[in-house]
Amino acid sequence: GIQVEQSPPDLILQEGANSTLRCNFSDSVNNLQWFHQNPWGQLINLFYIPSGTKQNGRLSATTVATERYSLLYISSSQTTDSGVYFCAVGSGTALIFGKGTTLSVSS
Amino acid sequence: GVTQSPTHLIKTRGQQVTLRCSSQSGHNTVSWYQQALGQGPQFIFQYYREEENGRGNFPPRFSGLQFPNDSSELNVNALELDDSALYLCASSLATGPFTEQFFGPGTRLTVL
Repeated sequence: GIQVEQSPPDLILQEGANSTLRCNFSDSVNNLQWFHQNPWGQLINLFYIPSGTKQNGRLSATTVATERYSLLYISSSQTTDSGVYFCAVGSGTALIFGKGTTLSVSS
Repeated sequence: GVTQSPTHLIKTRGQQVTLRCSSQSGHNTVSWYQQALGQGPQFIFQYYREEENGRGNFPPRFSGLQFPNDSSELNVNALELDDSALYLCASSLATGPFTEQFFGPGTRLTVL
């Protein structure tokens, strides 16, 4: 089945720093989503981005489907950005998740 | 949005459990995922128009229902210790690979 790999596994930043999270996938996909999981477990939708570039405030994402990767950019990070970021790709009716990147932002 | 109940649940090995989910308004497809500690969510199954519409690598003791109002249940029989996890429900406007899924807050199940 399709494999999803995220890097780095852990990231520690000072408030105000920028970061780039990467998601590689092993096959062509029709659906790619980025999520932020808060400390209570809720998965918050960040982007639905099977291809192209999108921006939402301090966050932006780019998916290059032909090269099988997606990037999530976080600028001017805040402590509230802390948590786990997941990339998930569509395979049939399922979303296949990576293992996530754990981001810790300190003030 | 998507709602789930209960928030937390403690059961003992061998028991049965039912988890509930209400889809986002207008959504007719519901999917269930299991998230073990430190891992990404894993797909259990999806329901569309009250029929199972795809299943992940989970045994038959994991079963589900979808009701005409698009609410859903996940049932797990003969609970095992490894079933301890966060169970997430997701709803979407339709089935198929191009559809964005929206998740509920989850039910945290502990099996003792």
